[in-house]
Amino acid sequence: GAVVSQHPSRVICKSGTSVKIECRSLDFQATTMFWYRQFPKKSLMLMATSNEGSKATYEQGVEKDKFLINHASLTLSTLTVTSAHPEDSSFYICSAARQGGTEAFFGQGTRLTVV
Amino acid sequence: AQSVTQLGSHVSVSEGALVLLRCNYSSSVPPYLFWYVQYPNQGLQLLLKYTSAATLVKGINGFEAEFKKSETSFHLTKPSAHMSDAAEYFCAVYGAGKSTFGDGTTLTVKP
Repeated sequence: GAVVSQHPSRVICKSGTSVKIECRSLDFQATTMFWYRQFPKKSLMLMATSNEGSKATYEQGVEKDKFLINHASLTLSTLTVTSAHPEDSSFYICSAARQGGTEAFFGQGTRLTVV
Repeated sequence: AQSVTQLGSHVSVSEGALVLLRCNYSSSVPPYLFWYVQYPNQGLQLLLKYTSAATLVKGINGFEAEFKKSETSFHLTKPSAHMSDAAEYFCAVYGAGKSTFGDGTTLTVKP
């Protein structure tokens, strides 16, 4: 099956700093990647969708200047949380899909804690 | 537009009892349907998926689900619950190039 690797699995950063999370498709070309945020005891909330080489499409209410998404290649997308604050602490999950595919494949998630 | 409704945010069963987690979907295109399990502080693990082949889908850990187009349902079942099944379960539909998730069902297994 298709494998998506997300790194790091856990990160702690100081308030005001930026942190980058990577999402890689290891054995397939991901034309589309997705970033989700999951609050405790809640479902996954889609933050943005990115297509390789294009600007990401953000869901309503998601601050594009705070959550920078780059999908520079068919195997790598990054999410940068800029000027992080404690309220940005959450579980972030990426997924990746092939063009014309029937499913998306999920990374293991990143637990971000801002102190 | 597509949507997923999981009936029952919490389900509690006794060990050895039948597990039934309900999922109804809405999709304007033939749906691709999924069940995922999530353990605390972990990512999503795919249990099973329906992608327009057999309507009864068997997954890992003894779970199975039946796609019923007439009822727009994709309920997840397991004949005999095990303590290790206690987790959060998400039903999802993939269509129009994205995944849409239900709100999740927390399964508790009592000894």
